[in-house]
Amino acid sequence: AQKITQTQPGMFVQEKEAVTLDCTYDTSDPSYGLFWYKQPSSGEMIFLIYQGSYDQQNATEGRYSLNFQKARKSANLVISASQLGDSAMYFCAMREGRETGGFKTIFGAGTRLFVKA
Amino acid sequence: EAQVTQNPRYLITVTGKKLTVTCSQNMNHEYMSWYRQDPGLGLRQIYYSMNVEVTDKGDVPEGYKVSRKEKRNFPLILESPSPNQTSLYFCASSLSAGGPNEQFFGPGTRLTVL
Repeated sequence: AQKITQTQPGMFVQEKEAVTLDCTYDTSDPSYGLFWYKQPSSGEMIFLIYQGSYDQQNATEGRYSLNFQKARKSANLVISASQLGDSAMYFCAMREGRETGGFKTIFGAGTRLFVKA
Repeated sequence: EAQVTQNPRYLITVTGKKLTVTCSQNMNHEYMSWYRQDPGLGLRQIYYSMNVEVTDKGDVPEGYKVSRKEKRNFPLILESPSPNQTSLYFCASSLSAGGPNEQFFGPGTRLTVL
């Protein structure tokens, strides 16, 4: 069955340091998209970065990059130069393609990141 | 302003009393979706819609109904709510189902069923 696993319920990082949030996925569909979203304590969901299954290069968006290892089925989020405002819950998500019979979206359980001053 | 709106934002109701949570987007998006968020479980998809009159079940559809009669609206209906449907609900939309199209989320509806 398709699923997303985020093994780190909580993480601490020192301000200005880099941090990696883990995400592994499982799907039988050759076409899929991987997303990371941020949820601050205020509750809104904010899109961070996207990686397509056929993309050859790792996605980058400002301080965010996605370490995509297709053979290992992992899509880890790397945040460089952490800021206090990065303290939030982070969700990895996968949207499958047509072959599985639809375009369902599955989210992981999330990782809560705490940035220390 | 491009946005997804949900109403109500907060709702306390009793078991068995039918309710509807509305969702509307002004971005002409094709794909719309409902999620529930529970502690430790992340977001779980309830239903999604690829376009008008096209809906499909997500992972947790039991106890919910949806309809997509217009492109902009995607209401979530609880015909007979039960306490296990107490949750935070998000509506989301994206330009289309595939490709690098992120979902835009509404502000959430916190539902309590007594």
